[in-house]
Amino acid sequence: AQSVTQPDIHITVSEGASLELRCNYSYGATPYLFWYVQSPGQGLQLLLKYFSGDTLVQGIKGFEAEFKRSQSSFNLRKPSVHWSDAAEYFCAARSRGGNTGKLIFGQGTTLQVKP
Amino acid sequence: GAVVSQHPSRVICKSGTSVKIECRSLDFQATTMFWYRQFPKQSLMLMATSNEGSKATYEQGVEKDKFLINHASLTLSTLTVTSAHPEDSSFYICSVRTRNYEQYFGPGTRLTVT
Repeated sequence: AQSVTQPDIHITVSEGASLELRCNYSYGATPYLFWYVQSPGQGLQLLLKYFSGDTLVQGIKGFEAEFKRSQSSFNLRKPSVHWSDAAEYFCAARSRGGNTGKLIFGQGTTLQVKP
Repeated sequence: GAVVSQHPSRVICKSGTSVKIECRSLDFQATTMFWYRQFPKQSLMLMATSNEGSKATYEQGVEKDKFLINHASLTLSTLTVTSAHPEDSSFYICSVRTRNYEQYFGPGTRLTVT
């Protein structure tokens, strides 16, 4: 079955430190991959996406993600975290082949930023 | 990206009443919209796919008679929670998918059933 896994439920980093949020997927073929961020009580904002091409994807707010086919991973990174980055982060995937198919979410990772 | 709005942002209703939540795609004509439900500290669960001009497609386990979805136009989909009960209290989020395969989400509606 298709699935997306975020191994870390909760991560705490100090402000200014680097960040990496892990995401692994299980699909028959490489899916479209997404990272979303959700602030408390809010909807989801698209940070970045991978469809094809360069495996290092740049997103908004200084985030980037690297697609590694050999590891079935799409980890999110940021070199220096800001207090405003504290939020819930979701990795998601959808099968290729047209614009159909369900978006499947990981369980989410809560990011806490220490001052 | 696409801009998606939801109304209301919060609603409190009494058990047994019905509540309608609107989802609007403000700058994009969406033939397909999605409705999700999110419990506290959990991920999003797809409830149904709303198709303009036709019946919605519900996910397994979602009661279609309880969660009525209408996609009246290319910019509006509504979710009506009928005969709401406290267990229906949740965060409901709609989403639209653009032609270049990106998916954008509304700000969500917090439903509390007392």
